[in-house]
Formats: sequence, C-alpha cells, structure tokens
Amino acid sequence: DQQVKQNSPSLSVQEGRISILNCDYTNSMFDYFLWYKKYPAEGPTFLISISSIKDKNEDGRFTVFLNKSAKHLSLHIVPSQPGDSAVYFCAARMSGNTPLVFGKGTRLSVIA
Amino acid sequence: GAGVSQTPSNKVTEKGKYVELRCDPISGHTALYWYRQSLGQGPEFLIYFQGTGAADDSGLPNDRFFAVRPEGSVSTLKIQRTERGDSAVYLCASSWDTSTYAEAFFGQGTRLTVV
Repeated sequence: DQQVKQNSPSLSVQEGRISILNCDYTNSMFDYFLWYKKYPAEGPTFLISISSIKDKNEDGRFTVFLNKSAKHLSLHIVPSQPGDSAVYFCAARMSGNTPLVFGKGTRLSVIA
Repeated sequence: GAGVSQTPSNKVTEKGKYVELRCDPISGHTALYWYRQSLGQGPEFLIYFQGTGAADDSGLPNDRFFAVRPEGSVSTLKIQRTERGDSAVYLCASSWDTSTYAEAFFGQGTRLTVV
C-alpha cells in the first residue's frame, strides 16, 4: 500500500516553460512534505518543503503547493532550465523525527 | 568531510555471502537513517538511529539485516546470507535534530549487486 504516489514516471518540458510535478498521499497523519532532487549516481538532495499548516511555499524558481483536502501537492519550477533535469521525489513524514516516506519519483527532462 | 559519506560506492557479492555497508554521517548529526532504493522505486525506510540506539527498525525486511551505530556516529548496515533480491542502492541520511522539520542529508549511496 503506497502512501505517497507520484503517478507520472516521466515529464518532458521545454526550457523556459513551467514544470509541474504532482504527488498524492493517503495518510492524513502526514505533517510535513518535502521534495528531493536526484541526479544519477548521487544521493537525493533536499529541494523545498512545506508544513501541513501552509498551502504554499516559494523558494526562487521553486514553489510547492499543498491541498490538504485533496491530499495533493505539486512542485512548480519556473522557468525550467536544462540543469533541472533529474528525478524528483515527493516525500512525507508524520510529526516528530519519523522516517520519510517517498514516492517512486518523476523523471523530469528539460529540453533546450 | 562536509557531507554524508558511504563506503563502498559499489559492492558486488555472491549469493549467500555476508556484506557490510558503512555510513559516516555529518559531524554532530544525532539522527541517522538507512534507506534502500530498488530500480524504479523511491527510497524505502529500513532503520533509524537516534544516537547509539535504534529508535525504529520496523523497515528491516527480515532478520538477515542488522545495523549498528556503537558510538553514535558511524553506522554499519550488515546483511547476512545475501540474496539476489537484496540488490539495490542503499542510502544513508543524517539530520541534526529530532524535530519534524529537520532536513535529512543523504549520502551518494552504496550500489549492492548480489550475483
């Protein structure tokens, strides 16, 4: 039973356009949501996060939106750059330093 | 070093053998996590240490898997009688405290191949 779902295994976007990566979750106890970026042969790198008490968090070109009633979050990257090409993982955790639960990832390709 | 270091980066072993995977967390980080990532999947939780003790080992798949962190810093993941299904990238992460919002920093992983 997958608690964090990323239903799009891949996404291709033209440079300069917006990339939207989606994530759904089933556990209403999740309190904190994160996006990680992973390049080949490297470990995941933290990108941006959002607490369950917020609906939006922005950091430069990256914005995460949270819709608690729909149990859905999304990551927007604008404008997309070729260096953004990577696998993006959505993750969630409950309160306290509980383990992160990851989705399967979405491979983003930004085409120049 | 500045980041989480995992050794070896690659390990090929024969079915039935014993392997040890090492993780050096960021200095001062009290929490340490082990995850396993199989092909096409996201990282799956194995075990979490707070200091020297295993705070949560509910993700270990069976008793062939064991992990230690004797001095609250370096951790070793041990796999006995390896099986081909154990082939995966094993990721270690550390964080500096126990709050909900503590960021976890990942190492580059150890790719284990059981032949």
